[in-house]
Amino acid sequence: EVQLLESGGGLVQPGGSLRLSCAASGFTFSSYAMSWVRQAPGKGLEWVSAITGSGGGTYYADSVKGRFTVSRDNSKNTLYLQMNSLRAEDTAVYYCANVASTVTTSSWFDPWGQGTLVTVSS
Amino acid sequence: DIQMTQSPSTLSASVGDRVTITCRASQSVSSRLAWYQQKPGKAPKLLIYKASTLESGVPSRFSGSGSGTEFTLTISSLQPDDFATYYCQQYNSYWTFGQGTKVEIK
Repeated sequence: EVQLLESGGGLVQPGGSLRLSCAASGFTFSSYAMSWVRQAPGKGLEWVSAITGSGGGTYYADSVKGRFTVSRDNSKNTLYLQMNSLRAEDTAVYYCANVASTVTTSSWFDPWGQGTLVTVSS
Repeated sequence: DIQMTQSPSTLSASVGDRVTITCRASQSVSSRLAWYQQKPGKAPKLLIYKASTLESGVPSRFSGSGSGTEFTLTISSLQPDDFATYYCQQYNSYWTFGQGTKVEIK
């Protein structure tokens, strides 16, 4: 069974940093691009970042570019999101998701993890 | 950037109703469009990909259509388990979600 399990969320002050992790199991992790999507309280889904299976390609939404860094450790089947210079508007549930195709990054997301809550507040 | 606009934002319907949600893209995304269902406190669940392909295990009352810039998600006969929020997503150029359509009980 494919599983994605996020961790690392919590309360952080504005300007602070946090690193999220997403542990993957049940599939060949290195064959798939992975993505982060967030959802602010009561709001819709916002794509945040993605990384190719090899880790050689990374992609970011304009709202986080220069502040967030996506990475992966294929030996540990784990995806990461390093979040720096956090702002109140970064408060959200952060989901990791598998980019469903092994051939292209132009693909849908399936499955998704259960999410981890990041709260940026003083 | 490609913008995705869903309508309506909220839809009130009864069990057994036929429901249609529309998603429009600011430029062509070909058939690179997916639909997700999300219930409160849960992760989104994939329903449809490639605009009209039903994900395995998803009931056949769900269907998708369209290409280019205009897409629809149809639920042929609304069931109690279908009251949720639905999102479209383009994956032609990076990824963008629509703002969501909440289907609530009338």
